[in-house]
Amino acid sequence: SQQGEEDPQALSIQEGENATMNCSYKTSINNLQWYRQNSGRGLVHLILIRSNEREKHSGRLRVTLDTSKKSSSLLITASRAADTASYFCATVGSNAGGTSYGKLTFGQGTILTVHP
Amino acid sequence: NAGVTQTPKFRVLKTGQSMTLLCAQDMNHEYMYWYRQDPGMGLRLIHYSVGEGTTAKGEVPDGYNVSRLKKQNFLLGLESAAPSQTSVYFCASTHRPHEGGREQFFGPGTRLTVL
Repeated sequence: SQQGEEDPQALSIQEGENATMNCSYKTSINNLQWYRQNSGRGLVHLILIRSNEREKHSGRLRVTLDTSKKSSSLLITASRAADTASYFCATVGSNAGGTSYGKLTFGQGTILTVHP
Repeated sequence: NAGVTQTPKFRVLKTGQSMTLLCAQDMNHEYMYWYRQDPGMGLRLIHYSVGEGTTAKGEVPDGYNVSRLKKQNFLLGLESAAPSQTSVYFCASTHRPHEGGREQFFGPGTRLTVL
């Protein structure tokens, strides 16, 4: 089963606007990662945030993590048409008794469309 | 570096046929994974390997087998294909995750249709 839900399922904005995507998950995590997938292509890693971090930045990307609410958000600022893609959050579970072997559990994704 | 490559890119099978999907990586990664992606869904883990000669089941392993005879290759086999296995298959790899976690590197995918 999927680890969590992503919201919204689809987002349509104009170039230059900001895009915010949310992700919720169910179990304790070691880290949470965001990936991007262009239509018909493989996934590309965007950013990783550890369970003891609250916010992380990378270029136009800002990720927040609230472990008390089991949720994360991805903000893309000043969006471009080239940002049009599907965005997935994925979690690596924490395992007090061993290791999760880096296994990713994905959300269902948000389809972002940026109009020129 | 080619990164992670997958062959074939597309395949159409009839129910009951068998096939093997090949994943190769040239980054000397210890860990490799096979995922499937169905329409409107995220990826689900089929099997994974933490080193040469080792494999383990993921979330949806039924109907699939895997082998990791060489560190750089991870094979996914379908012994008797079923229409429910129509999907896009992705391979990924990474170095042994340290405490803070590591990103995975994905291949371009194999689109499989089972008639």
